[in-house]
Amino acid sequence: KNQVEQSPQSLIILEGKNCTLQCNYTVSPFSNLRWYKQDTGRGPVSLTIMTFSENTKSNGRYTATLDADTKQSSLHITASQLSDSASYICVVSGEGATNKLIFGTGTLLAVQP
Amino acid sequence: KAGVTQTPRYLIKTRGQQVTLSCSPISGHRSVSWYQQTPGQGLQFLFEYFSETQRNKGNFPGRFSGRQFSNSRSEMNVSTLELGDSALYLCASSFSPPTSGRGELFFGEGSRLTVL
Repeated sequence: KNQVEQSPQSLIILEGKNCTLQCNYTVSPFSNLRWYKQDTGRGPVSLTIMTFSENTKSNGRYTATLDADTKQSSLHITASQLSDSASYICVVSGEGATNKLIFGTGTLLAVQP
Repeated sequence: KAGVTQTPRYLIKTRGQQVTLSCSPISGHRSVSWYQQTPGQGLQFLFEYFSETQRNKGNFPGRFSGRQFSNSRSEMNVSTLELGDSALYLCASSFSPPTSGRGELFFGEGSRLTVL
């Protein structure tokens, strides 16, 4: 069964600290992996899109990594800010018969002053 | 450039009724996809449209349907509403269908449906 699992489920960090969120998937064959940030009550906003051949992609203080062999991805947030408080969602798209979007349940991040 | 517009933002219905939600994509985008978000299940893919054709559908019952018009605007309909249909319904627009693996998705703010 195609699944996307994220960890931790929730996380609290102090402003200015770094953190890493994890995403493991079983979707095969794999097409691409996306990370989204969703503020409470708002629609998700795209952070990165990674295909099979890409190992690392950055968007400001956000850096995503992908290991297609182990089917793992991480999202690293550097020098966190209060505005980083949000839910971070990993989405995996498969190819062919599995070319549907599979969403992780997200990691809820709270950045405290 | 205007973003994705979803209407209505909030609505309350009773069991057995039907509801129609609307989505206007970003100008120039030909793909619209729909998602259901609930606290228990998270985000789930409903279906995607490209140039008025449904390309893919998620694992939802036939009560959930949609369509796309020639101007790329899309509607989704849920018939015979159940309590479990209470959710935030999000639509996203893009140049290419999301399952094509290309392009970025731009989400609207969603339509929050409550079924009593």
